[in-house]
Amino acid sequence: SQQGEEDPQALSIQEGENATMNCSYKTSINNLQWYRQNSGRGLVHLILIRSNEREKHSGRLRVTLDTSKKSSSLLITASRAADTASYFCATVKTGANSKLTFGKGITLSVRP
Amino acid sequence: DSGVTQTPKHLITATGQRVTLRCSPRSGDLSVYWYQQSLDQGLQFLIQYYNGEERAKGNILERFSAQQFPDLHSELNLSSLELGDSALYFCASSGLQGYEQYFGPGTRLTVT
Repeated sequence: SQQGEEDPQALSIQEGENATMNCSYKTSINNLQWYRQNSGRGLVHLILIRSNEREKHSGRLRVTLDTSKKSSSLLITASRAADTASYFCATVKTGANSKLTFGKGITLSVRP
Repeated sequence: DSGVTQTPKHLITATGQRVTLRCSPRSGDLSVYWYQQSLDQGLQFLIQYYNGEERAKGNILERFSAQQFPDLHSELNLSSLELGDSALYFCASSGLQGYEQYFGPGTRLTVT
């Protein structure tokens, strides 16, 4: 069953613009992670934010977590055509070892 | 390159057949996870092994089984294949302390 629900399902922006993707989840979590998948290929881990953290940065990525609203957002600044991919949020539930539960993903298209 | 390898890359087989997918985790990683990705179900966690022992089970059908060997590589066995089993099958591994998972390139299974 899906834990995370990403929003929007698809996003198309111009190169240089910022892309914001949102994720909501249902249960209490240990951490939330974002992954990227290029067409039909393996997933690449982008960033992990723990339940006691509110914001995290990694290069052009900024992730926020609001545990009271059970939601997270991923911001990609100054997007590039190479950022075109599907993005998934995944949660590790509290007490559920390290099993990941993925959302359905967001398709991001960055137009050159 | 995540360091996780999967073979074969593609597999085409007929209904009713049995196949084995193989995964080698990153050097030093003890945990191996199997996921199935299809258009209608999205990314579904199947099963996790840790140092040779089953650690967690997800939406894995009884027709499917897995094991992790002493050298830490893992195999996913799919039997009595049905058309609906056509999907991308990913293996991922993680280290002792980390929740981040490193994904292999996947095996694309087509059942005809």
